[in-house]
Amino acid sequence: QKEVEQNSGPLSVPEGAIASLNCTYSDRGSQSFFWYRQYSGKSPELIMFIYSNGDKEDGRFTAQLNKASQYVSLLIRDSQPSDSATYLCAVYTGTASKLTFGTGTRLQVTL
Amino acid sequence: DAGVIQSPRHEVTEMGQEVTLRCKPISGHDYLFWYRQTMMRGLELLIYFNNNVPIDDSGMPEDRFSAKMPNASFSTLKIQPSEPRDSAVYFCASSLGGLAGGHYEQYFGPGTRLTVT
Repeated sequence: QKEVEQNSGPLSVPEGAIASLNCTYSDRGSQSFFWYRQYSGKSPELIMFIYSNGDKEDGRFTAQLNKASQYVSLLIRDSQPSDSATYLCAVYTGTASKLTFGTGTRLQVTL
Repeated sequence: DAGVIQSPRHEVTEMGQEVTLRCKPISGHDYLFWYRQTMMRGLELLIYFNNNVPIDDSGMPEDRFSAKMPNASFSTLKIQPSEPRDSAVYFCASSLGGLAGGHYEQYFGPGTRLTVT
């Protein structure tokens, strides 16, 4: 079993809709969870992190964490074509400063 | 600040050749990370440094890979000899502080696309 799993997609949503991206992780001791966005041919950039159960909102983005079920989600409201990218989930398990990344979900926002 | 700088941006080499990738972290950042990204395996941490000292190199795939950080503003990742399966995008990232201290943002460089034929 992979440590961090994501559906590779592509996930296609129409402009203005809510995009829901999911990530599951295997280590119950995981402490913090991150969402990175990566445009094609570019480097990853951090958009959100969450470390306690529940929701964390930042503008159009909401991260949801459920430690009992070992999953973390990213919701993007009012999706825009500029949101089309690959979204990487990363997990910090408290092992020094190592992040473990999933392989990413490609999101396509259609006009 | 110019951000994390990597060179070269693209490298094409033949199997068996030595390859050296270079990274200049953001000034003042004390953590430096080397990652490799492929379609199959995603983004993998190879090694990271704190204050120029290698802390964890468990992600380095084999002895053909080595990394150094001679000073706070420069790091290299060397592959000798290179093999076709080393073809990937290699990212360098830096951060001000480590994850254990709650410093979560890692700033990635533009990456080096390595092709080994």
